[in-house]
Amino acid sequence: SQQGEEDPQALSIQEGENATMNCSYKTSINNLQWYRQNSGRGLVHLILIRSNEREKHSGRLRVTLDTSKKSSSLLITASRAADTASYFCATAQGGSEKLVFGKGMKLTVNP
Amino acid sequence: DAGITQSPRHKVTETGTPVTLRCHQTENHRYMYWYRQDPGHGLRLIHYSYGVKDTDKGEVSDGYSVSRSKTEDFLLTLESATSSQTSVYFCAISPTGIGETQYFGPGTRLLVL
Repeated sequence: SQQGEEDPQALSIQEGENATMNCSYKTSINNLQWYRQNSGRGLVHLILIRSNEREKHSGRLRVTLDTSKKSSSLLITASRAADTASYFCATAQGGSEKLVFGKGMKLTVNP
Repeated sequence: DAGITQSPRHKVTETGTPVTLRCHQTENHRYMYWYRQDPGHGLRLIHYSYGVKDTDKGEVSDGYSVSRSKTEDFLLTLESATSSQTSVYFCAISPTGIGETQYFGPGTRLLVL
């Protein structure tokens, strides 16, 4: 069963704009991860944030985690056409060796 | 694609036939996973392995079996393929479990007629 749920399900923006994606989840977690999937390809890990962290940066990516609201957001700054992809959040629940993925959201960056 | 290959990359088969998908890694990672990806469902875990000969079921394991006789290879078998198993199958690996970062293969697109 899905743990994380991405919102919005689809987002279309212009190149250079910022893109914000949200993920909500239901149970307590050890960490939350974001992955990207280009059309026809496998998933690529973007960033992992642990339950005791509130914010993390990696290049143009900024992830926040609010465990009290059971939500996370992924911000991509200065988007590029190459950022066009599907994005998934995945949560790791306490003691589990498994990740539970959301259904994903589609980002389109128009040149 | 961090040293992970999947074979075949595409397969068309008929209902009732057995199918085996192979995942091969060169990273010597302990954990290996099989997922299926379907529209509207995202990624769902089928089976995973936490060591040679050590496997466990995931969320959607019915109709699937797995084997891992070597660290580098993880096989997924559909004993008798059904049309509901038409999907894209992804293998993933991770050096540690406990929900840590996973690295995905390129996927196998399976069509069951």
